[in-house]
Amino acid sequence: AAGVIQSPRHLIKEKRETATLKCYPIPRHDTVYWYQQGPGQDPQFLISFYEKMQSDKGSIPDRFSAQQFSDYHSELNMSSLELGDSALYFCASSRRGGGGPGEQYFGPGTRLTVT
Amino acid sequence: AQSVSQHNHHVILSEAASLELGCNYSYGGTVNLFWYVQYPGQHLQLLLKYFSGDPLVKGIKGFEAEFIKSKFSFNLRKPSVQWSDTAEYFCAGRGDSWGKLQFGAGTQVVVTP
Repeated sequence: AAGVIQSPRHLIKEKRETATLKCYPIPRHDTVYWYQQGPGQDPQFLISFYEKMQSDKGSIPDRFSAQQFSDYHSELNMSSLELGDSALYFCASSRRGGGGPGEQYFGPGTRLTVT
Repeated sequence: AQSVSQHNHHVILSEAASLELGCNYSYGGTVNLFWYVQYPGQHLQLLLKYFSGDPLVKGIKGFEAEFIKSKFSFNLRKPSVQWSDTAEYFCAGRGDSWGKLQFGAGTQVVVTP
């Protein structure tokens, strides 16, 4: 079965640079969630989209922005990168339009290292 | 505030031992609860979930969890662990059907041969 695809899998950037992370949800999934997992920490919710509209916002820095496109893929744009942004960034998708509660399927993550 | 907490941060046990990981939640009303496993360097994999109904939930890899509303708990159990169960385990919850997940701090489980 198709899974959530994230690209790139690994990314190394320098301080103050920008980065773009991409997430391709499972086909027919209409909801995307972004989470950040720092070293040795639990995943923290950043932002979510449903049908291309932002549905919730968590502890996402103002330097970060995200959107969901017409094909339901999502991109997380990160500017003025800081050392503390080094983390594993997970994307998860679910199909809200199907009705009832649904589970979130996680992608493999993008490991961002800021040097 | 809505939250999920895990009691143990590190657990070391021998193969064939029984495992129980504690998880408490603080949601009122609707609650969806999950247990995820994360093997080293890999993504989160769903072990089991509870939405409603039978409070004893069976998941993959021989894991099960029991939702006890009176104790606000959702503990994960496995009767006999294997070396391959070495991983980090996260309890997660949400207060509605589609919202963000809140994760516990995770429990690192090490199974020794």
